[in-house]
Amino acid sequence: DAGVIQSPRHEVTEMGQEVTLRCKPISGHDYLFWYRQTMMRGLELLIYFNNNVPIDDSGMPEDRFSAKMPNASFSTLKIQPSEPRDSAVYFCASSFPFRSTDTQYFGPGTRLTVL
Amino acid sequence: RKEVEQDPGPFNVPEGATVAFNCTYSNSASQSFFWYRQDCRKEPKLLMSVYSSGNEDGRFTAQLNRASQYISLLIRDSKLSDSATYLCVVNEGSGYALNFGKGTSLLVTP
Repeated sequence: DAGVIQSPRHEVTEMGQEVTLRCKPISGHDYLFWYRQTMMRGLELLIYFNNNVPIDDSGMPEDRFSAKMPNASFSTLKIQPSEPRDSAVYFCASSFPFRSTDTQYFGPGTRLTVL
Repeated sequence: RKEVEQDPGPFNVPEGATVAFNCTYSNSASQSFFWYRQDCRKEPKLLMSVYSSGNEDGRFTAQLNRASQYISLLIRDSKLSDSATYLCVVNEGSGYALNFGKGTSLLVTP
């Protein structure tokens, strides 16, 4: 079975450019999570969706970041305009929880470098 | 968000050694606890859940102390393949948001 799919795997862009990261969750999973990982701050939850509806976006750093989930099989995280401090690995994860102990399955991540 | 604290290490141990990692969390309302493993330049993967009664999975044993808000992971008979970063993870107590520690790095040497 396919796991969580993310694209692109690597992105190098210049400051000020728009960046769009994409995620396809595991089929049947109704929770989708976006995380950012840096050496300094570790793994941080940015936003999560349930049944395509954003539930908690309190981790989104600022208005330059936005996330959408137009359907159950696709989500995007957009940064506009991008800044060098946005450089990080961005992970998407999905889960199908009956209870909070269910596992989150992570995608391979997108390594973003903003010059 | 409330904090999850881990010793970053690195822990350098020889093959066959026993090693223990600790983690503390600040949100007393937390309900669920996990250890995830992350290999270099890879995604985190669930290693094991942590139950109140403690649980064991092969060479791995996890313990939870709710009173002290403390979680531990014990690895016995370390293998080279255990080399990774181990992330302590706590459910915030409401919804399904997970709070990750920054991880403890383990290097098992021949």
